[in-house]
Amino acid sequence: AQSVTQLGSHVSVSEGALVLLRCNYSSSVPPYLFWYVQYPNQGLQLLLKYTSAATLVKGINGFEAEFKKSETSFHLTKPSAHMSDAAEYFCAVFFGNEKLTFGTGTRLTIIP
Amino acid sequence: GAGVSQSPSNKVTEKGKDVELRCDPISGHTALYWYRQRLGQGLEFLIYFQGNSAPDKSGLPSDRFSAERTGESVSTLTIQRTQQEDSAVYLCASSLQGPGGTGELFFGEGSRLTVL
Repeated sequence: AQSVTQLGSHVSVSEGALVLLRCNYSSSVPPYLFWYVQYPNQGLQLLLKYTSAATLVKGINGFEAEFKKSETSFHLTKPSAHMSDAAEYFCAVFFGNEKLTFGTGTRLTIIP
Repeated sequence: GAGVSQSPSNKVTEKGKDVELRCDPISGHTALYWYRQRLGQGLEFLIYFQGNSAPDKSGLPSDRFSAERTGESVSTLTIQRTQQEDSAVYLCASSLQGPGGTGELFFGEGSRLTVL
């Protein structure tokens, strides 16, 4: 079955530290991949997307993600966390069936 | 409008009552989606519209749920005889293209439904 897995429902990092949020998917065909962010009391907004061009994708606010076909992964990273990065992050995958399938989300907390 | 607008932002209702949630997509966006987000869970797909037709209704949890869309404009999600398990945030999103175009989805802020 096609699925999206985000490891870690809660991640805490210190301000200035590396942010790593994990996303794996199950599919035999490389899908289109997305990361969305949801700030408190706001709607989801697109951070970045992979659509079969470069495997390293750069998004807004210094985030980037790398598509690794062999690992079926699309992990989100940021070299140095900022307090304003505190939010919930969702990995989403388009498997070709007309809808985006979302992971369960990872809540990122930044420790001052 | 500038973004996707949803109303009401908050709705508290009694078990057994009907509720109607409204979504105003971004002007010109042909695709419209409804998702449900239960507390502590991911986004659960409900239904997708391309124009005013719904090619994929597979996510509607029961026949108490229905949705319609007028042209390429407003959509309403109706829940009849609400149950406590219907409590969730209902998110609407619109897109210039369907997901096959890999277009970005623009989300509203959601309608938080609480069924007592």
